[in-house]
Amino acid sequence: GENVEQHPSTLSVQEGDSAVIKCTYSDSASNYFPWYKQELGKRPQLIIDIRSNVGEKKDQRIAVTLNKTAKHFSLHITETQPEDSAVYFCAASYYGNNRLAFGKGNQVVVIP
Amino acid sequence: NAGVTQTPKFRVLKTGQSMTLLCAQDMNHEYMYWYRQDPGMGLRLIHYSVGEGTTAKGEVPDGYNVSRLKKQNFLLGLESAAPSQTSVYFCASSYWGETFLNQPQHFGDGTRLSIL
Repeated sequence: GENVEQHPSTLSVQEGDSAVIKCTYSDSASNYFPWYKQELGKRPQLIIDIRSNVGEKKDQRIAVTLNKTAKHFSLHITETQPEDSAVYFCAASYYGNNRLAFGKGNQVVVIP
Repeated sequence: NAGVTQTPKFRVLKTGQSMTLLCAQDMNHEYMYWYRQDPGMGLRLIHYSVGEGTTAKGEVPDGYNVSRLKKQNFLLGLESAAPSQTSVYFCASSYWGETFLNQPQHFGDGTRLSIL
């Protein structure tokens, strides 16, 4: 099955700086890559997703890039704010399989 | 529009007791999922369902049973609770269409379960 790894496990950034989280996946057939944000004690919430026919997708301060050759995808958060502090999970899935393999999560701490 | 609703929110059980967690969704989604979340382990799939009357095993199914008698409900049962099942349980649902393209999963608020 699919195996997804996230690096680094914890990331601290100064408010206003950018944060980048990278995930690698093992199955070259994977074609759907969502990112979820989970605040302490809350549910995971989808913040952005990308399909394999697209190399990059942006939504305001958040962007995701996909490198199919290297089998990795990254979440980019620009102009970080304290409310960006959370755990971020990446996931991967492949065509015809509506299941997700999740990474173990990255703790992002934005320092005011 | 409530989305995905889980009950109860918290529960404490003794080893060997049984209980059922209820998940309800009002989005008419075909797929429903049960995950457990443990510190440092991410979200691990327990069981899932692709439609009413169907269920399938996920990554960590041992010690759990599920049922999907109605499209909007997905039940997770623990027949004989063990301390290793102490966790936060999340239910999720997603749409599935004729294009067979993967769709986002929508999560409930979770159930925090402690087994003593």
